[in-house]
Amino acid sequence: GENVGLHLPTLSVQEGDNSIINCAYSNSASDYFIWYKQESGKGPQFIIDIRSNMDKRQGQRVTVLLNKTVKHLSLQIAATQPGDSAVYFCAEKRVFGNEKLTFGTGTRLTIIP
Amino acid sequence: DGGITQSPKYLFRKEGQNVTLSCEQNLNHDAMYWYRQDPGQGLRLIYYSQIVNDFQKGDIAEGYSVSREKKESFPLTVTSAQKNPTAFYLCASSRAVSGQGKPGELFFGEGSRLTVL
Repeated sequence: GENVGLHLPTLSVQEGDNSIINCAYSNSASDYFIWYKQESGKGPQFIIDIRSNMDKRQGQRVTVLLNKTVKHLSLQIAATQPGDSAVYFCAEKRVFGNEKLTFGTGTRLTIIP
Repeated sequence: DGGITQSPKYLFRKEGQNVTLSCEQNLNHDAMYWYRQDPGQGLRLIYYSQIVNDFQKGDIAEGYSVSREKKESFPLTVTSAQKNPTAFYLCASSRAVSGQGKPGELFFGEGSRLTVL
């Protein structure tokens, strides 16, 4: 079946540098994408979302980019801080409909002091 | 404060025993979900409920059961039929109506870690 997956399972970044976490999706019917952050021993927290009618959306220190042509999603975190160390999941669904969120495997981001 | 409360945080079970994980929310959300997370893996949906007294199987429902008698509560029972129950279980809730607000914003609890001895 179609599912969402991630390119890299782990990523280490020097504190203060920018990080980019990538995600590939294969369900062409998906039109809504979300990034979640999960800190150790806790539940995931919503970071940012993007609909398919956009190719870029910015939040506080985070930017999500969507390339529908190659079915690729990325999360950019600017000026990384130790608190950014976590596992990041992408997820996808259709906005209108009862389809459930499908989560990717996750990428563990480690910020090196 | 509004949120989702899961209990217990840690639970040990002997093989052959059923256990029930509690999930309560005071966010007035219609939809509730149970996910399973194994080490180094993503979240897999066990069951979900979009309205009281109704629920649907997710991707890995075998060996689990749920009930939704109240809007605020969605307990998960891990039965002895679940062959590999050791995992981290996450409960979540969301507004059920598609197209309103952030359709993908799930609010998660802190999780319950179940270990089978």
